Amino acid sequence: AAGVIQSPRHLIKEKRETATLKCYPIPRHDTVYWYQQGPGQDPQFLISFYEKMQSDKGSIPDRFSAQQFSDYHSELNMSSLELGDSALYFCASTISSYNSPLHFGNGTRLTVT
Amino acid sequence: EDKVVQSPLSLVVHEGDTVTLNCSYEVTNFRSLLWYKQEKKAPTFLFMLTSSGIEKKSGRLSSILDKKELFSILNITATQTGDSAVYLCAVGTSGTYKYIFGTGTRLKVLA
Repeated sequence: AAGVIQSPRHLIKEKRETATLKCYPIPRHDTVYWYQQGPGQDPQFLISFYEKMQSDKGSIPDRFSAQQFSDYHSELNMSSLELGDSALYFCASTISSYNSPLHFGNGTRLTVT
Repeated sequence: EDKVVQSPLSLVVHEGDTVTLNCSYEVTNFRSLLWYKQEKKAPTFLFMLTSSGIEKKSGRLSSILDKKELFSILNITATQTGDSAVYLCAVGTSGTYKYIFGTGTRLKVLA
């Protein structure tokens, strides 16, 4: 069965650089979530999209932005990177019209040096 | 503020033991509670609970929800070393598109 696909798997950037993370949800899933997970921490909700519109916002810094495109894939854009942005970034998708669980991608590990 | 709390934070047991993990929550407009197992990578889905008192079961794992007391438990019987992982609980609310995660319980099963 198709799963949530994230790219790249690993990314190394320097401080003040920009990064773009991509997420391809499971086919027919209309809702995408982005989470940030630091070492030993629980996933922190950043932002979600439903039908290509931003639906909820969590602890996402102003330096970050995201969008969902017409093919439902989503991109998380991160600018002016800081050392503290180093984390695992997960994308998850679901079908909003059913009480269905989140399905996670394998994540992108971002290291900022 | 919506909150999800898991306990214990960590647990070390021996193979064959039974463990019970707890997840309590305080949210407005509860919709569902999800349990995930996270090893080194992405959380993998275990159970979704929406109604009180109905046990969900999958092999040695089972879970139940109490919407009156606002908690859920995840039971693992006859634990194996492969059960070693972080177990995450997440709560979804109606009218929003976010799930709030607890801090997780780190389970280590010794051979």
